[in-house]
Amino acid sequence: ELKVEQNPLFLSMQEGKNYTIYCNYSTTSDRLYWYRQDPGKSLESLFVLLSNGAVKQEGRLMASLDTKARLSTLHITAAVHDLSATYFCAVDWGAGGTSYGKLTFGQGTILTVHP
Amino acid sequence: NAGVTQTPKFQVLKTGQSMTLQCAQDMNHNSMYWYRQDPGMGLRLIYYSASEGTTDKGEVPNGYNVSRLNKREFSLRLESAAPSQTSVYFCATRTSGYNEQFFGPGTRLTVL
Repeated sequence: ELKVEQNPLFLSMQEGKNYTIYCNYSTTSDRLYWYRQDPGKSLESLFVLLSNGAVKQEGRLMASLDTKARLSTLHITAAVHDLSATYFCAVDWGAGGTSYGKLTFGQGTILTVHP
Repeated sequence: NAGVTQTPKFQVLKTGQSMTLQCAQDMNHNSMYWYRQDPGMGLRLIYYSASEGTTDKGEVPNGYNVSRLNKREFSLRLESAAPSQTSVYFCATRTSGYNEQFFGPGTRLTVL
């Protein structure tokens, strides 16, 4: 059974500070996704990471994947209030070259950015 | 384009009642998914349809059935609702390969 664990689960940051959210998973996979969810809303795709060493950046967010360590990170640079949301990582179950898009999600990290 | 739509947005049921949640997409995507989201647990996959005409179980299928009516529509049925099925239900779609999934707005279901 694939387990996906995020930490921290709650993160309170000051504007301007940097921080990292960690996503660990329990079995081999090289397909990992990051999503954002605002309160009461749906999920929005942030990053798709499809190989060992993949790094993607968008604005103040940067995601990376280390498949050997079974670890992905989401790094926040110089946080602003608009980044306040819940962030989820999700790992594809698919074995080998097959992907049906069966995702296992982490519990989510609730990020609050204070002035 | 509406993207992924779900109906209803909210629903309250009594234990033992049945209902069908509807999902439709106009993105011409092959794969469709149903998830439930409970506080502190992330999203869990209920059922998925890799392509029109196929469906398969996800992580938590018990108490649910699905129908992939055509390429656009994928419905989730609760035959006899239980309080443990109180949750927010999301439908998602994906084109092919390893692309990301696109999520609908969700249905908030309460079972009393």
